[in-house]
Amino acid sequence: DQQVKQNSPSLSVQEGRISILNCDYTNSMFDYFLWYKKYPAEGPTFLISISSIKDKNEDGRFTVFLNKSAKHLSLHIVPSQPGDSAVYFCAARGSGSARQLTFGSGTQLTVLP
Amino acid sequence: GAVVSQHPSRVICKSGTSVKIECRSLDFQATTMFWYRQFPKKSLMLMATSNEGSKATYEQGVEKDKFLINHASLTLSTLTVTSAHPEDSSFYICSAREGPGYNYGYTFGSGTRLTVV
Repeated sequence: DQQVKQNSPSLSVQEGRISILNCDYTNSMFDYFLWYKKYPAEGPTFLISISSIKDKNEDGRFTVFLNKSAKHLSLHIVPSQPGDSAVYFCAARGSGSARQLTFGSGTQLTVLP
Repeated sequence: GAVVSQHPSRVICKSGTSVKIECRSLDFQATTMFWYRQFPKKSLMLMATSNEGSKATYEQGVEKDKFLINHASLTLSTLTVTSAHPEDSSFYICSAREGPGYNYGYTFGSGTRLTVV
């Protein structure tokens, strides 16, 4: 049972426009959410995170929105740049003692010049 | 910032042999390390969680006798794939946390591409 879902495997956006990547979760015990960017054959790189007690966090071109009632979060990238092309994973942190991360399946973002 | 070094970056081994993957935290002490496996175009699946000096906790469905995890020091965790088979071919990634508390982030290694022939 997938507790974190990214239903769009791919997304193409024109350079300069907004990229919106979505993520849904089912476990209400998740208390922290993170977005990672990943290139093939490399480890994930942290982008931005949000606590479950907030509904928005912004860092430069990246903004993450959290809708707890809908168990939905989204990552907005504005303006999108060709260098943003990568696979984006959302991850949710559990409340267990080790605070493991559960990852979504990823969305391949392609920013077209 | 925190850096995690994972080695080797890629390895090819014959069926039946064992392969060891190392994960080192370079500038911090990692009390907790996580091992993930990623299949092509799939998510990162957590295999196990290890805490320094204690036995690893394996996720359901992961064979602990096949995937041996050792976290003998605060800066080093190893994953040994024993008696490897072609179906073990995958991308393995480690992650480390400096502590269990709320504010400690997760730093990932660069991954290891294992191919079993």
